[in-house]
Amino acid sequence: AQSVTQLDSQVPVFEEAPVELRCNYSSSVSVYLFWYVQYPNQGLQLLLKYLSGSTLVESINGFEAEFNKSQTSFHLRKPSVHISDTAEYFCAVSYSGGSQGNLIFGKGTKLSVKP
Amino acid sequence: EAGVAQSPRYKIIEKRQSVAFWCNPISGHATLYWYQQILGQGPKLLIQFQNNGVVDDSQLPKDRFSAERLKGVDSTLKIQPAKLEDSAVYLCASSIPGNEKLFFGSGTQLSVL
Repeated sequence: AQSVTQLDSQVPVFEEAPVELRCNYSSSVSVYLFWYVQYPNQGLQLLLKYLSGSTLVESINGFEAEFNKSQTSFHLRKPSVHISDTAEYFCAVSYSGGSQGNLIFGKGTKLSVKP
Repeated sequence: EAGVAQSPRYKIIEKRQSVAFWCNPISGHATLYWYQQILGQGPKLLIQFQNNGVVDDSQLPKDRFSAERLKGVDSTLKIQPAKLEDSAVYLCASSIPGNEKLFFGSGTQLSVL
């Protein structure tokens, strides 16, 4: 079965420190990859996505993720986090040939940024 | 722009009771999804609509769950009868066909006692 693995359920970091949230997916011919973020008491929001082209994708708030086909990974990184980045982050994948919205989500990683 | 609206925000019922959730997608979004998110897990797709037609309901437990989108806008998801393991947050999302970006509502948190 196709799956997404987020290895860390919780990641505590201090403000201005770098962070990496890990995501691996089960291998397939062609995938679309996503990171969604859920801030406290809010709905899921798309943070960034990889569909094709450049393997490095960026969000408007300083996050980036790199698609690594050989390692089947799509890790999320930020060089310097802020208190406002505290949220739960979900990695998701959809497989070409499947229905568009049939996203397979990981279990999520709770990022806690401390002052 | 108004987001995806869901109601109620919270619902507590006893097992074997029935419950219904409502979703109003973003105006103009033809595609609507219902996801189930059990505590500690990521969301799982239950059903996807394109206008008022079902695109994918392969993961919907059809013996107790049903969903409809009669006029291609609002949607309701029903559980009858509920089981303890149905306790979860039920998320509605919508999108424009051909666009991979989903817009999620805040969800309905269901507790089955």
